[in-house]
Amino acid sequence: SQQGEEDPQALSIQEGENATMNCSYKTSINNLQWYRQNSGRGLVHLILIRSNEREKHSGRLRVTLDTSKKSSSLLITASRAADTASYFCPSGAGSYQLTFGKGTKLSVIP
Amino acid sequence: DTGVSQDPRHKITKRGQNVTFRCDPISEHNRLYWYRQTLGQGPEFLTYFQNEAQLEKSRLLSDRFSAERPKGSFSTLEIQRTEQGDSAMYLCASSLGNIDEQFFGPGTRLTVL
Repeated sequence: SQQGEEDPQALSIQEGENATMNCSYKTSINNLQWYRQNSGRGLVHLILIRSNEREKHSGRLRVTLDTSKKSSSLLITASRAADTASYFCPSGAGSYQLTFGKGTKLSVIP
Repeated sequence: DTGVSQDPRHKITKRGQNVTFRCDPISEHNRLYWYRQTLGQGPEFLTYFQNEAQLEKSRLLSDRFSAERPKGSFSTLEIQRTEQGDSAMYLCASSLGNIDEQFFGPGTRLTVL
């Protein structure tokens, strides 16, 4: 299992702004995933990017992966109050268990 | 709603008591995972089943913890002789085959007094 470390630990933005959070990991991966957790809806899978992909989009989400730097970023465009949550980036290397960091706590202010 | 259900959603118990939680995964998912999450931390892996076989247990899973998945469907997690340090959110997740995405249930929040 691999661990993703999210940065920053906390981020506060105004509604409508873009939010960028970063993730670093230490060893080779097969894929990296982003999850969101808020009190209302629990832990939800957002997007998975494979090691041979550099960028992936899903709605207002854009994920990049730089395997040479062992880092990933998640961009949320046109943020909404409902995006307020903690975001995690566990990665996988063919292992089944996910190892989570402490996450980035995003607050979107209406 | 991801399709993974957990019961109960909340459990308050006294130190020393035994508790059991249940997880019902998405029906066609053959993999099932248990995680534990404390305040301000990300989830920590506890154990993993493929069908009815328990294939991996974390070192976090002391001998007071036991998990089962009879018939490869629902799973139970039992904690014996609970301690205050067991207070946490217990999350269950399931996945299908070689697909890496895990679907999480809403969790069971355990409070040990």
